[in-house]
Amino acid sequence: GQQLNQSPQSMFIQEGEDVSMNCTSSSIFNTWLWYKQDPGEGPVLLIALYKAGELTSNGRLTAQFGITRKDSFLNISASIPSDVGIYFCAGHSGGSNYKLTFGKGTLLTVNP
Amino acid sequence: NAGVTQTPKFQVLKTGQSMTLQCAQDMNHEYMSWYRQDPGMGLRLIHYSVGAGITDQGEVPNGYNVSRSTTEDFPLRLLSAAPSQTSVYFCASSLSQNSPLHFGNGTRLTVT
Repeated sequence: GQQLNQSPQSMFIQEGEDVSMNCTSSSIFNTWLWYKQDPGEGPVLLIALYKAGELTSNGRLTAQFGITRKDSFLNISASIPSDVGIYFCAGHSGGSNYKLTFGKGTLLTVNP
Repeated sequence: NAGVTQTPKFQVLKTGQSMTLQCAQDMNHEYMSWYRQDPGMGLRLIHYSVGAGITDQGEVPNGYNVSRSTTEDFPLRLLSAAPSQTSVYFCASSLSQNSPLHFGNGTRLTVT
């Protein structure tokens, strides 16, 4: 089946630093999604990408859909303590059999 | 607008017991799904439904049953709980198969 490799597994950064995380796929995806999960809650959608090469921002967050359609990255600029959480990438390969594949997550810790 | 509501938030079962995890959404979403989240494993799809009366298996369906008698509700049944089913369970829904998922806040299940 499809596999998503998400890296890094965890990050410890200082407040104010920029963060970058990425996902690579073993197959082509038509959609890339980035979610954030706060402790004790469900994942919340941050950014959705639908076209190869697409670069989309949401406040301090920027994500890109790779040209090869097998990768995506998420950048967070000027991190703040509330950025702490688990970030998941997810992808959909399209077709009639819809199944969203998730990466294993990046745990982000921000030191004030 | 409540979004996706899961009950209960916490549950402890003994091996062999059965129970139903409830999920309801009030967004008139056609697509609903159940995931389990385990440390180091990310989110894995258990079952999904593309509309009322239609269900299908995901990546890890064994030991679980689902039904979709209405658009709003998508309960997950554990027929005979096993310790391997100790996990956090998330219900998610979306407008259509290709739309981003909206997650509930999860049910934390422990099987002893």
